[in-house]
Amino acid sequence: GENVEQHPSTLSVQEGDSAVIKCTYSDSASNYFPWYKQELGKGPQLIIDIRSNVGEKKDQRIAVTLNKTAKHFSLHITETQPEDSAVYFCAASSPSASKIIFGSGTRLSIRP
Amino acid sequence: SAVISQKPSRDICQRGTSLTIQCQVDSQVTMMFWYRQQPGQSLTLIATANQGSEATYESGFVIDKFPISRPNLTFSTLTVSNMSPEDSSIYLCSVSRLAGREETQYFGPGTRLLVL
Repeated sequence: GENVEQHPSTLSVQEGDSAVIKCTYSDSASNYFPWYKQELGKGPQLIIDIRSNVGEKKDQRIAVTLNKTAKHFSLHITETQPEDSAVYFCAASSPSASKIIFGSGTRLSIRP
Repeated sequence: SAVISQKPSRDICQRGTSLTIQCQVDSQVTMMFWYRQQPGQSLTLIATANQGSEATYESGFVIDKFPISRPNLTFSTLTVSNMSPEDSSIYLCSVSRLAGREETQYFGPGTRLLVL
């Protein structure tokens, strides 16, 4: 079955700098890759997603890139702000599976 | 997106008892899921709640321990039965909804369970 690996497990960046979180997946049939942000005491919130027919997608300060050949995808946050501090999860799913598989999470801290 | 509510938001329970968690969605959805998130961990799928039929459980989860109901397309319940301290976790309801022509998955706020 699908396996999703996520790195790093923790990340601390200076406010205003960029943060990058990387994930790899094992199932070459996977075609949907969402990213979730989970703040303390809350449920995961979908922040951006990408499907295999595109290589990059951007929404304001957040962008996701996908390399299907290498089976990896990344989340990029630019001009980080204190409210970006949270745990971020990548995930992947394939057409044959009705479920998504999550990575292990990255705890992002923004230093003032 | 989807507006998802869960009840209760948190609870403290004694071992050996059972707790039923409710999930309500603002409109009909194709699929509903239940996840468990142990402290500091990622999300693990417990089961897919099927409307009108028995839930589909993932490996390591059984119906006797986590009975699930889904009487209609907007509501589901998860029961954590005969609880032990190891069941202390966040339990999350999730729904899949069409966004354009694609399915997108959204999560509720979670139920924080502590078993003593």
